[in-house]
Amino acid sequence: AQSVTQLDSHVSVSEGTPVLLRCNYSSSYSPSLFWYVQHPNKGLQLLLKYTSAATLVKGINGFEAEFKKSETSFHLTKPSAHMSDAAEYFCVVSRSSGNTPLVFGKGTRLSVIA
Amino acid sequence: EAGVVQSPRYKIIEKKQPVAFWCNPISGHNTLYWYRQNLGQGPELLIRYENEEAVDDSQLPKDRFSAERLKGVDSTLKIQPAELGDSAVYLCASSAQVEAFFGQGTRLTVV
Repeated sequence: AQSVTQLDSHVSVSEGTPVLLRCNYSSSYSPSLFWYVQHPNKGLQLLLKYTSAATLVKGINGFEAEFKKSETSFHLTKPSAHMSDAAEYFCVVSRSSGNTPLVFGKGTRLSVIA
Repeated sequence: EAGVVQSPRYKIIEKKQPVAFWCNPISGHNTLYWYRQNLGQGPELLIRYENEEAVDDSQLPKDRFSAERLKGVDSTLKIQPAELGDSAVYLCASSAQVEAFFGQGTRLTVV
């Protein structure tokens, strides 16, 4: 079985300050992990993915995440928040070999204050 | 490359009426998913297809929901009859390997 826990339902940061969105996972298999972003009334867009290669993963728009197996974590970070980063972010787990569905966390809403 | 296409984008129906959603996945993607996203929640899987075979439909409420993927390409999801609690965004996604690509979804409102 697989599950994801996003530790914060809402995070608020000032523009230009760092972003940290926390995610812990549980998986019986070797996991693949993803972060998706959803802007209002838009589809889900893949930010980055971990598929058992480098543990530090760089994604689009300056975001990155680090896979820590010992902590079963996959936290999303960005050095400097931009107003356009305000959105809903979802941490997602799947099986690295594929053939299993994506299991979503409940999401973290990121607000960016000017 | 065209992404996952869903239609309609919005649908408002009265309860007890039927409704259908359509999805055209990315060309060459064998895996197709239907997810439901309730307001303020993460998407939850309804059904997963590998080509034309439904390999995971354990979360699909089969008394009122049905889905098909003829010829292993396009897919339709149907609700009959709709209930007020079915109001949600219905998302279609497709995948060739591990990551999935999502359509913009169909926002269903049942009144």
